[in-house]
Amino acid sequence: AQTVTQSQPEMSVQEAETVTLSCTYDTSENNYYLFWYKQPPSRQMILVIRQEAYKQQNATENRFSVNFQKAAKSFSLKISDSQLGDTAMYFCAFMKQRAMRFGAGTRLTVKP
Amino acid sequence: DSGVTQTPKHLITATGQRVTLRCSPRSGDLSVYWYQQSLDQGLQFLIQYYNGEERAKGNILERFSAQQFPDLHSELNLSSLELGDSALYFCASSEDGNEKLFFGSGTQLSVL
Repeated sequence: AQTVTQSQPEMSVQEAETVTLSCTYDTSENNYYLFWYKQPPSRQMILVIRQEAYKQQNATENRFSVNFQKAAKSFSLKISDSQLGDTAMYFCAFMKQRAMRFGAGTRLTVKP
Repeated sequence: DSGVTQTPKHLITATGQRVTLRCSPRSGDLSVYWYQQSLDQGLQFLIQYYNGEERAKGNILERFSAQQFPDLHSELNLSSLELGDSALYFCASSEDGNEKLFFGSGTQLSVL
């Protein structure tokens, strides 16, 4: 079974600075999808970014980018120019054959 | 707004009771997923339906069941409720079952 590990339960960053959230996963599959989801205090799950494993190029969405290291099974999220609205739980997720598995999450606090 | 609608938003019931949670996917999405989010278990995948058929099963208890109807809405039935079933239940939908998931705002279930 695939497992997703987020080793940082909590992190904080100053507004306008850059922060990187870590995620590792375990799988024997070659083709799969990786995601980062954000859950703000409203508890809505919001898709931040998606990476397809067969694509070598790292995905980017505005201030959010990933560092996808397939051989190392690592998928970190970099948030640039952090904003107060980025304060949320961030979940890394792995998807293969229709089942999406989530990590335990990292609670990110952006400080003014 | 993700386009996924879940009702009710909140549900309070007693142990031993049965409840039904409802989900309407985004227009055009054929796949519906159910997730349970609790403090001790995190986000757990329960079950997935694609165009009316069960496609993947996760950590769903035998007391729980789900179905997807011809109009593609889905219901999650929880019976013989226990205190430990108190959680936030998410529904998510996707177009073909292997793409990014869009989540509803969840149903907060409290079993007293």
